[in-house]
Amino acid sequence: ETGVTQTPRHLVMGMTNKKSLKCEQHLGHNAMYWYKQSAKKPLELMFVYNFKEQTENNSVPSRFSPECPNSSHLFLHLHTLQPEDSALYLCASSQDLGGAYEQYFGPGTRLTVT
Amino acid sequence: ILNVEQSPQSLHVQEGDSTNFTCSFPSSNFYALHWYRWETAKSPEALFVMTLNGDEKKKGRISATLNTKEGYSYLYIKGSQPEDSATYLCAFTSGTYKYIFGTGTRLKVLA
Repeated sequence: ETGVTQTPRHLVMGMTNKKSLKCEQHLGHNAMYWYKQSAKKPLELMFVYNFKEQTENNSVPSRFSPECPNSSHLFLHLHTLQPEDSALYLCASSQDLGGAYEQYFGPGTRLTVT
Repeated sequence: ILNVEQSPQSLHVQEGDSTNFTCSFPSSNFYALHWYRWETAKSPEALFVMTLNGDEKKKGRISATLNTKEGYSYLYIKGSQPEDSATYLCAFTSGTYKYIFGTGTRLKVLA
């Protein structure tokens, strides 16, 4: 048990749908992250939140909209996605921001856009 | 553009063999280097965080070394077991929360 859960684990959606990914961490961490992993590419940082405040938007298209209502929950709202957005979306948390903190990852949501 | 390279991309070894792989990262503005193990259908799991040149870390049969001046880290597995089969990721940070990951080394240990 990593302490970070993600739902759903798999999602298939059409390009006109709206869906949300959910992440919850039970570790008392202050920072949360969304990553994208496309096939044969490294993990790509999308968004960073610290104490519910967004500190990073790594040039992510506006069809991805994050929400962090509290330090334990993180959402990624999806709308009007493209087939190239099909990927594994991982959520992570760390005790605080700063490059020496270990990140704790969830199992990911495998997204397919049709 | 900061780049993290891992080699080899994939590796097959026999049970009982020892193996190692490499992570190369920018040697300037170094802050920390992380290693993660990612088993299929599971979450990536932190193995080591290293911050000082010459750092060596060990966890059971797995160990790692760090050379920040030349920009590389080695991960060693002694006496590989089938349960070591996973993708091993390294990530570099330059002092911020921006972790830059490599594409990983996929290890398969054959029984």
